[in-house]
Amino acid sequence: GAVVSQHPSWVICKSGTSVKIECRSLDFQATTMFWYRQFPKQSLMLMATSNEGSKATYEQGVEKDKFLINHASLTLSTLTVTSAHPEDSSFYICSALPPGLRSSYNEQFFGPGTRLTVL
Amino acid sequence: AQSVAQPEDQVNVAEGNPLTVKCTYSVSGNPYLFWYVQYPNRGLQFLLKYITGDNLVKGSYGFEAEFNKSQTSFHLKKPSALVSDSALYFCAVRDLNSGYALNFGKGTSLLVTP
Repeated sequence: GAVVSQHPSWVICKSGTSVKIECRSLDFQATTMFWYRQFPKQSLMLMATSNEGSKATYEQGVEKDKFLINHASLTLSTLTVTSAHPEDSSFYICSALPPGLRSSYNEQFFGPGTRLTVL
Repeated sequence: AQSVAQPEDQVNVAEGNPLTVKCTYSVSGNPYLFWYVQYPNRGLQFLLKYITGDNLVKGSYGFEAEFNKSQTSFHLKKPSALVSDSALYFCAVRDLNSGYALNFGKGTSLLVTP
């Protein structure tokens, strides 16, 4: 199946700093990528939909100025957590949707996740 | 809104026994349903999906799921559980109003004991 990578796999940062997480589709082009957040022993919550060449669409309650998303190419989307605080500590997971005429039928491929810890 | 519910937080089964992880859905229109598995500190791996066609869907690692429209269910099943099947299982439905993103159930932790 298709492969999606994330970098870094884990990061520890000080409160007030910014952290960038990369999501790459390695063997396919993805016009659409998604960013999810997962708290311990909880489900994945959609944060935003990242569209190549256009602004991301954020879910209600997600601060777009805090979680900056850039989808600069068909294989790369980045999530930048700006001025991170301890409550931003979480597991961030991206996914990519392969294109196609019936893209709605396609399964998403998920990255391995990034564990962010803000001290 | 498109949503799924997983009524069980945890399912315990002995190795070699059949397993079922339950999922019910609530959608307007035709449901696009998925099952994913997550191992500790890992991303999600796709198991199977139902879009249309046969109600019994076969997927990876010997898993299958049965789409039941009258009961609005999409339970995940496996005839003979393995210890290595122990993981967190998520049912999901495609949200056609959110750019094809997935709405996930809360997850069910499966523990298979030797």
